Amino acid sequence: GAGVSQTPSNKVTEKGKYVELRCDPISGHTALYWYRQSLGQGPEFLIYFQGTGAADDSGLPNDRFFAVRPEGSVSTLKIQRTERGDSAVYLCASSLEGGTPLHFGNGTRLTVT
Amino acid sequence: SQQGEEDPQALSIQEGENATMNCSYKTSINNLQWYRQNSGRGLVHLILIRSNEREKHSGRLRVTLDTSKKSSSLLITASRAADTASYFCATSLRETSGSRLTFGEGTQLTVNP
Repeated sequence: GAGVSQTPSNKVTEKGKYVELRCDPISGHTALYWYRQSLGQGPEFLIYFQGTGAADDSGLPNDRFFAVRPEGSVSTLKIQRTERGDSAVYLCASSLEGGTPLHFGNGTRLTVT
Repeated sequence: SQQGEEDPQALSIQEGENATMNCSYKTSINNLQWYRQNSGRGLVHLILIRSNEREKHSGRLRVTLDTSKKSSSLLITASRAADTASYFCATSLRETSGSRLTFGEGTQLTVNP
């Protein structure tokens, strides 16, 4: 596709469960970012990949959050033992070699009940 | 913590009027960017201004940057109902790698037809 694709668009899970969120960046974009956006707030940085490696993971809130990008394209954000406070929209973005602008997907709305 | 802070938090105007949104930040920056977000969608890049620039135009958009005051403004002229969205400023910090952006909390703009 032409844009950044995120699946699922909505995810409802119970507290304590494990979830995976997927991001398909724009073809050829080597940089990939995950952000989290709570209601009424701006996006909050989580992690940045350059190719397959995490160049900056300082935004991950705790060790329940983990992200991978094994082949330098698709990325998966993994959240273990979900908590109600994890409820938010998780946005993925990609860019050419870490430059700007960032191209965002429509996000995955995660609700933890 | 958020680097950028926008004001006003919400702005409601009539079609044809101009809309001005302001953003303040705290530390030295490499560049400042403005993004737009329609409800339930991802963010779309509007314009970037570098730290050595004072003003930039793109169509009906005008951005100014005052590094001495650590502030920026986004002016949308001759607004249209389709401009209704949330607008976020985002800063790229000089010290960080890649294009990690720090977003403000946004201004919700409503343009009434």
